Amino acid sequence: DAGVTQSPTHLIKTRGQQVTLRCSPKSGHDTVSWYQQALGQGPQFIFQYYEEEERQRGNFPDRFSGHQYPNYSSELNVNALLLGDSALYLCASSLNRVNTGELFFGEGSRLTVL
Amino acid sequence: AQRVTQPEKLLSVFKGAPVELKCNYSYSGSPELFWYVQYSRQRLQLLLRHISRESIKGFTADLNKGETSFHLKKPFAQEEDSAMYYCALYTGGFKTIFGAGTRLFVKA
Repeated sequence: DAGVTQSPTHLIKTRGQQVTLRCSPKSGHDTVSWYQQALGQGPQFIFQYYEEEERQRGNFPDRFSGHQYPNYSSELNVNALLLGDSALYLCASSLNRVNTGELFFGEGSRLTVL
Repeated sequence: AQRVTQPEKLLSVFKGAPVELKCNYSYSGSPELFWYVQYSRQRLQLLLRHISRESIKGFTADLNKGETSFHLKKPFAQEEDSAMYYCALYTGGFKTIFGAGTRLFVKA
């Protein structure tokens, strides 16, 4: 059973650039949530995608955007990168009809902005 | 405001000693609380949820609505319990709020 997979695992960008992070949910899952985890902090909710729509968003600017494809995979895009965007970005999947709140996480994409 | 507070960043105990990781929450609705764990070089994973009222790996957690707490307890810590523990509040509206985490270190 394939778990949540994320790519790339590490990447380095410079200020002002744009980045795209990718996520494939756990087999059978249809909902993808994205979290940002800064050093020494817990994961912070960015947004959630279901049925190819963003259905809830956390306190993040419009520079953060996403997409979900018909196969349930998802992308997180961040434009005009700032130094403060350096963090571990976690993707978590779940099954909408079993709304228990349990999340299944990927290993994350570590973004460094120089 | 919706918030999860874990007051201890680091908790160090000896093997065989009891351990309690504290978690307090702020939420006006009916809370659904979870503990997630991250072992070294592994991904974040669910440890237990309050609604299940189960013991996982010897850990239990009781929801105390009066004190708005959901402390994680284990009577006898093991070295393999060393990990990062996150308390999390599911608001039902698709968002889960995490605390900052507590690193548990169990000494031999």
